[in-house]
Amino acid sequence: NAGVTQTPKFQVLKTGQSMTLQCAQDMNHEYMSWYRQDPGMGLRLIHYSVGAGITDQGEVPNGYNVSRSTTEDFPLRLLSAAPSQTSVYFCASSYTTANDEQYFGPGTRLTVT
Amino acid sequence: AQRVTQPEKLLSVFKGAPVELKCNYSYSGSPELFWYVQYSRQRLQLLLRHISRESIKGFTADLNKGETSFHLKKPFAQEEDSAMYYCALLSSGTYKYIFGTGTRLKVLA
Repeated sequence: NAGVTQTPKFQVLKTGQSMTLQCAQDMNHEYMSWYRQDPGMGLRLIHYSVGAGITDQGEVPNGYNVSRSTTEDFPLRLLSAAPSQTSVYFCASSYTTANDEQYFGPGTRLTVT
Repeated sequence: AQRVTQPEKLLSVFKGAPVELKCNYSYSGSPELFWYVQYSRQRLQLLLRHISRESIKGFTADLNKGETSFHLKKPFAQEEDSAMYYCALLSSGTYKYIFGTGTRLKVLA
């Protein structure tokens, strides 16, 4: 099992550009989520999904879109990048929503200039 | 509002000393609480969850509903415990995780 994979590992964008951060898991997990990690702020939930075709907003959803067309994939789209979106992004998955361990990806370090 | 507070950004202790990483929460209902750890150059991973009542790597955490706390404790710190520790709460109604800001633990030789 590859677990949770994220691509790319690093990305530099210019303000206004769009891009998609990829996340995939091969563990047949129902629950997937995206977080951003900023110094002094901890991890903040951006969007999450409790199953294919179902997504919902987390704490900081503005400027981001997600979709869940398959169980395995949960891409995060930045529509028009802003410097405030400079952060480290983590994807995570768990078997269900019921108090299960979340498995995290290695992270994507994004810089917006 | 639901919130997880970790008051210490950095905690330095000597090897062999006791460790207590503080976590307080604000939640209306029965909380589901976790501790996650991120070692240097490794992924964030689950350390323990309150529902399991287990001890992992010598760490324990007891849920105190009266004080709304879930402090992480270890009687004798080891150098390999140096890491970033996050307390997290799962909102059972909405399936949203709320993380604290994290505490960096440094165990000095």
